[in-house]
Amino acid sequence: KAGVTQTPRYLIKTRGQQVTLSCSPISGHRSVSWYQQTPGQGLQFLFEYFSETQRNKGNFPGRFSGRQFSNSRSEMNVSTLELGDSALYLCASSPRTERSNSPLHFGNGTRLTVT
Amino acid sequence: GENVEQHPSTLSVQEGDSAVIKCTYSDSASNYFPWYKQELGKGPQLIIDIRSNVGEKKDQRIAVTLNKTAKHFSLHITETQPEDSAVYFCAASLGGSARQLTFGSGTQLTVLP
Repeated sequence: KAGVTQTPRYLIKTRGQQVTLSCSPISGHRSVSWYQQTPGQGLQFLFEYFSETQRNKGNFPGRFSGRQFSNSRSEMNVSTLELGDSALYLCASSPRTERSNSPLHFGNGTRLTVT
Repeated sequence: GENVEQHPSTLSVQEGDSAVIKCTYSDSASNYFPWYKQELGKGPQLIIDIRSNVGEKKDQRIAVTLNKTAKHFSLHITETQPEDSAVYFCAASLGGSARQLTFGSGTQLTVLP
């Protein structure tokens, strides 16, 4: 079974621009979560999508948004990029069954550099 | 909100020795505690997890213990091997949802041959 696929692997953007990152979950997984990883703040939860609806949101500004498509694929968007948005953005998928504590399976991330 | 503290930040052991990483959490509602291993250039990989109704869980050379009263949990790796070298993260679920995790700050484990 293929793992979580994130594209692109690397991105370089300029301050003020916007960026869209893509995530394809493991086949059959219906929940997609996004995390930001930086050396200073570590791994921080951004948001979770299930059935094309945002279910949970972390403490990030409105410049960070996402969406999920009917095939469970997800995208996240960051508008008006700031230097501090430079990070590894990780997508994770989960079956999200009735047993809520289904483990998260992470992709290898998209490395975003803002200059 | 939940706060997870992890110690130590770096750990060096000789091949064959044991390694222990400890975490504490603040939210008594947390009931799911996974451990992830992250190798350079890769995303975190789940290595073991434990739920609050269990005190200990073991999978070959890896074990996790949970003390709900004290709100701490630990990862134990026995007979360490060079391929165990990586960054290890503990996490706790916020409000019982495994999909919204609060992570510790990570431990860089180095196994010396």
